[in-house]
Amino acid sequence: GDSVTQMEGPVTLSEEAFLTINCTYTATGYPSLFWYVQYPGEGLQLLLKATKADDKGSNKGFEATYRKETTSFHLEKGSVQVSDSAVYFCALSDVGREGGKLIFGQGTELSVKP
Amino acid sequence: EPEVTQTPSHQVTQMGQEVILRCVPISNHLYFYWYRQILGQKVEFLVSFYNNEISEKSEIFDDQFSVERPDGSNFTLKIRSTKLEDSAMYFCASSEGGTLGPQHFGDGTRLSIL
Repeated sequence: GDSVTQMEGPVTLSEEAFLTINCTYTATGYPSLFWYVQYPGEGLQLLLKATKADDKGSNKGFEATYRKETTSFHLEKGSVQVSDSAVYFCALSDVGREGGKLIFGQGTELSVKP
Repeated sequence: EPEVTQTPSHQVTQMGQEVILRCVPISNHLYFYWYRQILGQKVEFLVSFYNNEISEKSEIFDDQFSVERPDGSNFTLKIRSTKLEDSAMYFCASSEGGTLGPQHFGDGTRLSIL
């Protein structure tokens, strides 16, 4: 079945460092891809999305490009801040199904030190 | 910005008791979901609900679980005869529908079974 694999955390960076969190997926079709973020004590917030190959999603300085050839959707940010400390989840939507479920990766915890 | 609200934020229950977790989805959304996250594990899909009926459910969603939309605003998850392994964070989500629409999540209910 469809699945998402993320790099294991925790990831610890200094402020202003470059961030990459790897995400690869397995799907039978062409799903939409998402990054969600969970700040401490809060729910899941949509960070960005991409709905077709070569689409780039971006928000709050974060970017991810839908790469069909490598089945990847890596999250990047050029300069992280302490406030970016959170758990990041990569997810895909159930292909071609109206209102389909999300399938999540295991989450990657990011800790940014001043 | 409209948001999904969940109550209570934390529920402690004795094993064998019934619990009802409550959610108020975003008002113009058509699809409703429950997910759960056992501590340290992935966010897992439980069930989706559309047009007053279950549209999809996972293997986890057995006869112990039920969902209901008792009125025009609330969406509930009932767990009958709770077990220790039901301890988890339960997230409600809603979406407008369509294969591209993102799901918006609540902050979750932490369920602790003693």
